[in-house]
Amino acid sequence: EAGVAQSPRYKIIEKRQSVAFWCNPISGHATLYWYQQILGQGPKLLIQFQNNGVVDDSQLPKDRFSAERLKGVDSTLKIQPAKLEDSAVYLCASSQKAGYEQYFGPGTRLTVT
Amino acid sequence: KQEVTQIPAALSVPEGENLVLNCSFTDSAIYNLQWFRQDPGKGLTSLLLIQSSQREQTSGRLNASLDKSSGRSTLYIAASQPGDSATYLCAVLNQGGKLIFGQGTELSVKP
Repeated sequence: EAGVAQSPRYKIIEKRQSVAFWCNPISGHATLYWYQQILGQGPKLLIQFQNNGVVDDSQLPKDRFSAERLKGVDSTLKIQPAKLEDSAVYLCASSQKAGYEQYFGPGTRLTVT
Repeated sequence: KQEVTQIPAALSVPEGENLVLNCSFTDSAIYNLQWFRQDPGKGLTSLLLIQSSQREQTSGRLNASLDKSSGRSTLYIAASQPGDSATYLCAVLNQGGKLIFGQGTELSVKP
């Protein structure tokens, strides 16, 4: 069974630029999550999708971050414009249903200079 | 608001030693608790998941316990090896369906 795929693995941008991350969850998993992990901290949930609907985006900085999950499969997370404090690893995870075990992708390491 | 704390933040031990990592949480109303491993530059690998009705789970040299009433979990690693060096994260699934993580314990096992 293929795991959660993410791309790119690394990205370096200047502040005020925009960036997008892509996630392909495990086949058949209805729930998809995006987490932000700042160096030295645990991951923090940014947004949770159930199929193509948003369940929880309470921690998403909506003035600069956006996410979508068209057709209930792949998802993209966008930052525009980026700030220095957005430097982090962005992790995507999926689960069969909400509340079930989550499986994580390798993450995208973003550096904003 | 659920808060998860892991102690210590970093730990260095010689190879072969048995060790315990600690995790505490403030709200005992959880569905489950999960221990993850994270290698540098990599994603999270699930090690053990304990349902709220369970007291412990074992996998190979790893044993995780859960005491919901006191808001504590421990991860016991027997006969540590250099390959065990990684960051270990504890996370609780709260009744809102959100996974809340601790900040992790960075483990270094010296040959």
